[in-house]
Amino acid sequence: DTGVSQNPRHKITKRGQNVTFRCDPISEHNRLYWYRQTLGQGPEFLTYFQNEAQLEKSRLLSDRFSAERPKGSFSTLEIQRTEQGDSAMYLCASSSLAGGNNEQFFGPGTRLTVL
Amino acid sequence: GNSVTQMEGPVTLSEEAFLTINCTYTATGYPSLFWYVQYPGEGLQLLLKATKADDKGSNKGFEATYRKETTSFHLEKGSVQVSDSAVYFCARTFTGGGNKLTFGTGTQLKVEL
Repeated sequence: DTGVSQNPRHKITKRGQNVTFRCDPISEHNRLYWYRQTLGQGPEFLTYFQNEAQLEKSRLLSDRFSAERPKGSFSTLEIQRTEQGDSAMYLCASSSLAGGNNEQFFGPGTRLTVL
Repeated sequence: GNSVTQMEGPVTLSEEAFLTINCTYTATGYPSLFWYVQYPGEGLQLLLKATKADDKGSNKGFEATYRKETTSFHLEKGSVQVSDSAVYFCARTFTGGGNKLTFGTGTQLKVEL
């Protein structure tokens, strides 16, 4: 297993367009997290899944954002009607509940630029 | 709340100098504490962690001790190398489960020869 992967690595879009990002977690990791990181800031929590269930969403996640993890493996994050303020790095992380280990493994991120 | 405050950068040091990056957290609940590192062009990597008061996390010569009395988790290294140049993030788990993380703003470290 090569770790958490995210696609695409970069996305440039025009304001008002929809975009979708994909995250493939480490195999058999039952928790999957999405974070957003803007320039000069630390990552901010957006939402997380345990298996296929979305257990929590941050207030940062407006109704233009939707995330899914239909089979408890990969996840997608969709942003509808993008705005310039959505420009950021979107990070995915996964973790295993086994053994009480709470370490999250991060992917390389998808950098979104909204023009 | 669930916030983390860390010293602003950039921090510029000469090779073999002593490093301290300060981090304090809000005393809500019983969080686990972490230091993550982001090397240029790479994703976040866990550097070290501590899950309860007085625990010391250590890795690659870096250390941090979970200090409940001062709500601190300062990162230290006795002798930095050029290869340690990166952005360092302090983080804590949110209160309320799920092990969600809240991060500080990051501290950029530059180590020069």
